[in-house]
Amino acid sequence: AQSVTQLGSHVSVSEGALVLLRCNYSSSVPPYLFWYVQYPNQGLQLLLKYTTGATLVKGINGFEAEFKKSETSFHLTKPSAHMSDAAEYFCAVSDPTGNQFYFGTGTSLTVIP
Amino acid sequence: DAGVTQSPTHLIKTRGQQVTLRCSPKSGHDTVSWYQQALGQGPQFIFQYYEEEERQRGNFPDRFSGHQFPNYSSELNVNALLLGDSALYLCASSLAGRGFGNQPQHFGDGTRLSIL
Repeated sequence: AQSVTQLGSHVSVSEGALVLLRCNYSSSVPPYLFWYVQYPNQGLQLLLKYTTGATLVKGINGFEAEFKKSETSFHLTKPSAHMSDAAEYFCAVSDPTGNQFYFGTGTSLTVIP
Repeated sequence: DAGVTQSPTHLIKTRGQQVTLRCSPKSGHDTVSWYQQALGQGPQFIFQYYEEEERQRGNFPDRFSGHQFPNYSSELNVNALLLGDSALYLCASSLAGRGFGNQPQHFGDGTRLSIL
């Protein structure tokens, strides 16, 4: 069974500061990992995904995440926060058979001008 | 190229009623998944449809049922509505009936269901 834990339901950063959103997973097999962003009153948009290969994954809008198997983590980072990054961020995991998706409870990112 | 579209955007029902939500997948996609997102929570997987059959199901009671049509569009039906069914219902589509790993899911904006 898979599960996802997102540490910190709310994160605030200053504009231009580093963004770090934490995600840890549990899985009995090597998982597929995803980060999605959700703006108010909208659906989820895929930021990036890890399936196999390079453990540092680059996504849209300057975000990236690194898969660390030893730490069972997939933290999301962005070097410099923009006001437009304020949103809800969800980490998700699926197993390689990939027929179910498990989301974390989300982290709300606030960017302070 | 239209993305995933859901209707209606908002819906208000009372306890015990039945509701049907609709989803049209992104052009070229043949697999539809439904999620329930309660306020302040992450989406929870309800079920997935491929080739007009329910292929996988999450931990939801039988009151939740669905259907997929030959044009790949889908419906989510919920019977005997409870207050706890109030949530944002999201539809996501993907390609070729494969697992989630290699085929990203594209989400609609959801249907906000309120139960009074």
